[in-house]
Amino acid sequence: QSALTQPPSASGSPGQSVTISCTGTSSDVGTYNFVSWYQQHPGKAPKLMIYEVSKRPSGVPDRFSGSKSGNTASLTVSGLQAEDEADYYCSSYAGSNTVVFGGGTKLTVL
Amino acid sequence: QVQLVQSGAEVKKPGSSMKVSCKASGGTFTTYAISWVRQAPGQGLEWMGRIIPMLGIPNYAQKFQGRVTISADKSTSTAYMELSSLRSEDTAVYFCARDRRDGPGDYSFDYWGQGTLVFVSS
Repeated sequence: QSALTQPPSASGSPGQSVTISCTGTSSDVGTYNFVSWYQQHPGKAPKLMIYEVSKRPSGVPDRFSGSKSGNTASLTVSGLQAEDEADYYCSSYAGSNTVVFGGGTKLTVL
Repeated sequence: QVQLVQSGAEVKKPGSSMKVSCKASGGTFTTYAISWVRQAPGQGLEWMGRIIPMLGIPNYAQKFQGRVTISADKSTSTAYMELSSLRSEDTAVYFCARDRRDGPGDYSFDYWGQGTLVFVSS
């Protein structure tokens, strides 16, 4: 159960799009469509942004989208806004009722 | 509205045990899995384990096997996470989180507790 691999940082200017990758293995991301993405602001609990690879919970702007190809999942934030600056974490089901998280990506809005 | 309210911050000695509670309100407790996730200072999220209260059978991350015990009390809608043999590296904020979907779930977490800071130091 190794952590999923995310880039430590990503950035973009307001209005631009940015994509964050999340690389796992055939034991997690590559096999299961239970990939989720979370946004976390400093000192706060994480917030669910994407579930089941590409689905958005009610209330999450459609600027946030998810996808998956092979062992790599991706989160794209379009039309970047200042409030999107936060840490983002991916997670995946890893079999046997276990979950693994990525190391997190700090998104900076320039 | 679902709420998860956790117990307060704790200071523990190395080698001791900790037990954090997570009381649920505003929704069905027994059929939604509760997971425990920790976050060391300045670090990422780490999944520790989960339990579906109705079934009462926990699942643990391999890293914590033998050291963690997750349980649930259906009568009080409260989940618990106990971690033993504490060391300084266990200093972290511990979160409980509820699965978005009941039953087996989809292993995504839509409701989170406020977090409990546990500081391990001699």
